[in-house]
Amino acid sequence: NAGVTQTPKFRVLKTGQSMTLLCAQDMNHEYMYWYRQDPGMGLRLIHYSVGEGTTAKGEVPDGYNVSRLKKQNFLLGLESAAPSQTSVYFCASSRTAPPTYEQYFGPGTRLTVT
Amino acid sequence: AQKVTQAQTEISVVEKEDVTLDCVYETRDTTYYLFWYKQPPSGELVFLIRRNSFDEQNEISGRYSWNFQKSTSSFNFTITASQVVDSAVYFCALRLYDKVIFGPGTSLSVIP
Repeated sequence: NAGVTQTPKFRVLKTGQSMTLLCAQDMNHEYMYWYRQDPGMGLRLIHYSVGEGTTAKGEVPDGYNVSRLKKQNFLLGLESAAPSQTSVYFCASSRTAPPTYEQYFGPGTRLTVT
Repeated sequence: AQKVTQAQTEISVVEKEDVTLDCVYETRDTTYYLFWYKQPPSGELVFLIRRNSFDEQNEISGRYSWNFQKSTSSFNFTITASQVVDSAVYFCALRLYDKVIFGPGTSLSVIP
């Protein structure tokens, strides 16, 4: 039982390049989330999904796209990377209903855009 | 609007001191869930506790305790007899159905 995994762990991009971050979970969770973490700003929600084939915008969606083609995977894409997207990205998943409503997080991906 | 405030940006204590981390939330919903997560220097996010809006019972787990007060919209976290391993960033979070809102975090340093 791996929980939530993220690929890759580290990546350096040049401005304008594109990339996709992969998140996978093996807990059969319906909900999945992508966050970015910047110093002093906590975790900010980029996009989330409440089930296979669905996605929704979070607090800071601009410059990112997502897809949830399979229940266990949630992909985050950067079409044209900018230095402002340098951050640590966390994926999370959770159950649909309470009480065990907490999120389980992946180990994070550290992205640097030069 | 929903919001989570953790007014303490950084706290430094000497080992064995008690420390309380404050969390104040804002929501007009009557059903919500509150969580605390720990992020040690290694970077992973670890779930510590959940509480729903209908359960104001305080909880103690070893050296950790949580005080939930709806009257003041607070969900504070106390570490008793702190240890160096408690050094981490602690996040309070508010969940409203699909959406989860995190506070900015409190960085706790426990000095030996």
